[in-house]
Amino acid sequence: EVQLVQSGAEVKKPGESLKISCKGSGYSFTSYWIGWVRQMPGKGLEWMGIIYPGDSDTRYSPSFQGQVTISADKSISTAYLQWSSLKASDTAMYYCARHAVTTFNYFDYWGQGTLVTVSS
Amino acid sequence: SYELTQPPSVSVSPGQTARITCSGDALPKQYAYWYQQKPGQAPVLVIYKDSERPSGIPERFSGSSSGTTVTLTISGVQAEDEADYYCQSADSSGTSPYVFGTGTKVTVL
Repeated sequence: EVQLVQSGAEVKKPGESLKISCKGSGYSFTSYWIGWVRQMPGKGLEWMGIIYPGDSDTRYSPSFQGQVTISADKSISTAYLQWSSLKASDTAMYYCARHAVTTFNYFDYWGQGTLVTVSS
Repeated sequence: SYELTQPPSVSVSPGQTARITCSGDALPKQYAYWYQQKPGQAPVLVIYKDSERPSGIPERFSGSSSGTTVTLTISGVQAEDEADYYCQSADSSGTSPYVFGTGTKVTVL
């Protein structure tokens, strides 16, 4: 069974750093792209970026380039999303999702989400 | 930037048919995908490549495409179908391979 299990909710202050995780299981982690998607409170879905754990090839949405860093550790089947200096506007639910095994761009499995709250 | 436009809300009585549209200029050239998101849950893929249904998704969910508009149809709506629905596609330039629609709240009356 394919599973993406994300790390737990975080409460941080503005200016702090953060790294959240997404652990894949039930499939070959290095053979599928993993994407990150933001959902701000009461809002829609926004694609942030994507990484291929096999070689760490990473692509970012223009809206998020330079704002976050996506990485992966294939030895432990885990992808990461990190911030060096959080802002209140980073408060959101963050989902990781597996890119389907196809040249067409969509996500077939999603993690349960990690809620990040940034408040002073 | 590329946008996919959906109606904010659709209301339907149980057993009736709900139709959710998604409009975008690149849709004649790019496939569309649909996700269902229930409150407090992660999105779930319900339609891929305009009209294909993943295993485990009920047959009452179907998709179609015509020009710059794609449509998700839920036939014989059930109370459990009350959720937010998002379309997703890619822009024609390749800059944004994952563009989500604005989302539609389906309310079962």
